[in-house]
Amino acid sequence: QVQLVQSGAEVKKPGASVKVSCKAAGDSFNKYMHWVRQAPGQGLEWMGVVNPRRGRPIYAQKFQGRVTMTRDMSTSTVYMELSSLRYEDTAVYYCARDNDRCGGTCPGLYDYWGQGTLVTVSS
Amino acid sequence: SSELTQDPAVSVALGQTVWITCQGDILRTYYASWYQQKPGQAPILVVYGENNRPSGIPDRFSGSRSGNTASLTITGTQAEDEADYYCNSLDSSSDHYVFGTGTKVTVL
Repeated sequence: QVQLVQSGAEVKKPGASVKVSCKAAGDSFNKYMHWVRQAPGQGLEWMGVVNPRRGRPIYAQKFQGRVTMTRDMSTSTVYMELSSLRYEDTAVYYCARDNDRCGGTCPGLYDYWGQGTLVTVSS
Repeated sequence: SSELTQDPAVSVALGQTVWITCQGDILRTYYASWYQQKPGQAPILVVYGENNRPSGIPDRFSGSRSGNTASLTITGTQAEDEADYYCNSLDSSSDHYVFGTGTKVTVL
């Protein structure tokens, strides 16, 4: 049974950093793992992707320089750290498993999602 | 452009058919994946590839593509289909993924 379990809600002050974890159970850890966020009342926003086994993460241009995505293969956990937090970073952050079922013709196929982690930036 | 544009909102009578479109040049290269999101919940995958549904998704959900436009069709819409729907694909020029702007479906 595939399950992505994320860490709990966080409240941070502007300028601080937050690190969200996503532990993968089941047949997940050889898959690409993405991070997606959703601000209150807004749409889904892709933040980046990490290959659990090799290669550098790829980050959305908007978050370059502020986000770091890592993985710990020993614990089947991926992490997303966002620094220099601003009020507008208040959002629910999701990890999502990318599972290519189309031989490369349908990238961005997220078949399992974490439950989401609410990060609130407040002074 | 790597944007994916969707109509903000559509409404459909119970039992009727609704079409949700997603437009963007990156769809000429790759198929879109479609996600349903209900308030307070994580998104779920409903359609992917040429026209495929994950296990457990009703067959009233279907997908298609023509040129730079992907479409999600719900045939015989049910009350429980009221939700936000997002498309997603990859911009091969940057290796960045893109979500559509989202469509709110209201069932009347």
